[in-house]
Formats: sequence, C-alpha cells, structure tokens
Amino acid sequence: EVQLVDSGGGLVKPGGSLRLSCAASGFTFSSYSMNWVRQAPGKGLEWVSSISSSSSYIYYADSVKGRFTISRDNAKNSLYLQMNSLRAEDTAVYYCARDAMTHDGFDIWGQGTMVTVSS
Amino acid sequence: EIVLTQSPATLSLSPGDRATLSCRASQSVSSYLAWYQQKPGQAPRLLIYDASNRATGIPARFSGSGSGTDFTLTISSLEPEDFAVYYCQQRNNWPPRFGPGTKVDIK
Repeated sequence: EVQLVDSGGGLVKPGGSLRLSCAASGFTFSSYSMNWVRQAPGKGLEWVSSISSSSSYIYYADSVKGRFTISRDNAKNSLYLQMNSLRAEDTAVYYCARDAMTHDGFDIWGQGTMVTVSS
Repeated sequence: EIVLTQSPATLSLSPGDRATLSCRASQSVSSYLAWYQQKPGQAPRLLIYDASNRATGIPARFSGSGSGTDFTLTISSLEPEDFAVYYCQQRNNWPPRFGPGTKVDIK
C-alpha cells in the first residue's frame, strides 16, 4: 500500500525548534519530489516547502524561509522538516505530500501531525 | 505570485443537486490546476489534475474544466459523502499556492 506517515509534532514554546518526519512506503520514494503543506486551525491549506527527488531543488514559502529546512534521506525513505525559531502563527497541522510524477497535483498525503507553538 | 480566488465561499445544497465551484487565477496558469477535497479531520484528497483529469479512484460525477485563468469543478449529483471543503491549487508557477476553499454543506 502506498503510504505516508507523518510524525514529530507536539507542543513547543515560541522560539523553540521541532523536527517533523514523514515515512514513505509502498513506492519508490527516491523517484518523487515531496512537499510539506500546513493548515492552521480552522483555516485553509498553505504550501510550506518542496524538495526534488535528489534534493537538487528546494523551495520555501516566504513565511518560513530562513527558519525551516526541508531535507530527505532516500536510503531511509524519509522526508524531514526542521523548524526553528517557531512562532505562534506556525501552529498548524503539517502534512507531507507526494508530487505526482506524470501530472500536476499532490497525489498522496500523510495523515498530518499537529504542531502547537505556545508558552 | 499567482493568487487564486474561489467562489462561492460556501455552497448550501441538497443531496442530488448539481454543484458548480469556481476557481479564478490572477494570471494564466495554463492547465496546471488541481482540485482537492477535504473532509473534517482528514488529509486532502486529489480529485482533479491538469484542470480536467480525474485522479485514480475518483467517481465520474466529479469533473473539471477550464484553462488560463478560469476553472470550474462540477459535481453532477451530490452524494452524502461529497459534503466537504474543496480547494484548487495552481502548479504553473512557484509557489504552488492553494485557493481559500469552497465549503459545500447540506442545505
């Protein structure tokens, strides 16, 4: 079964750090670009970051640039998001999502992991 | 940056009704537009890609149309499980932004 499992969320104080993980299974992870998308409570979807299959291309939303770092380990079939200098406005459910290989759209999503930034 | 606008914000309909959702881009995105469905407490699900192609396993009652700046998602006859929030997303330029969403709720 093609699957993404998000983990690593939790409660963190403003200014703190957190590392999210996304474990992939059921497909050739190293062939796909991957993404992080977040959703603040009661709000819409916000694209956060993307990384190409070999990590050659990396993009960030302006709202997280300089604070978040996306990475991947193709040997471990895993995607990561290192989040530093966290702010209250980073509070959200974070989803990893697979880029469809042959067309646009994010075709496989993780279940999401909740990040709460609060003192 | 391309901005997506979705209308209406909320659509109140009954099962069996036809739903027509609109997504408008601030500049052309060619046909690089996707639609997603999200139900409460669940991750989004890809419905339509490249503006008019149904994703794997998506029922035929869902259809997408449009190109350039104006796009439409149509649900021909609403089933109870279709009441959800629908988002469009453009992939023509970075960043691959989402629209604000249209909530389809039960009248």
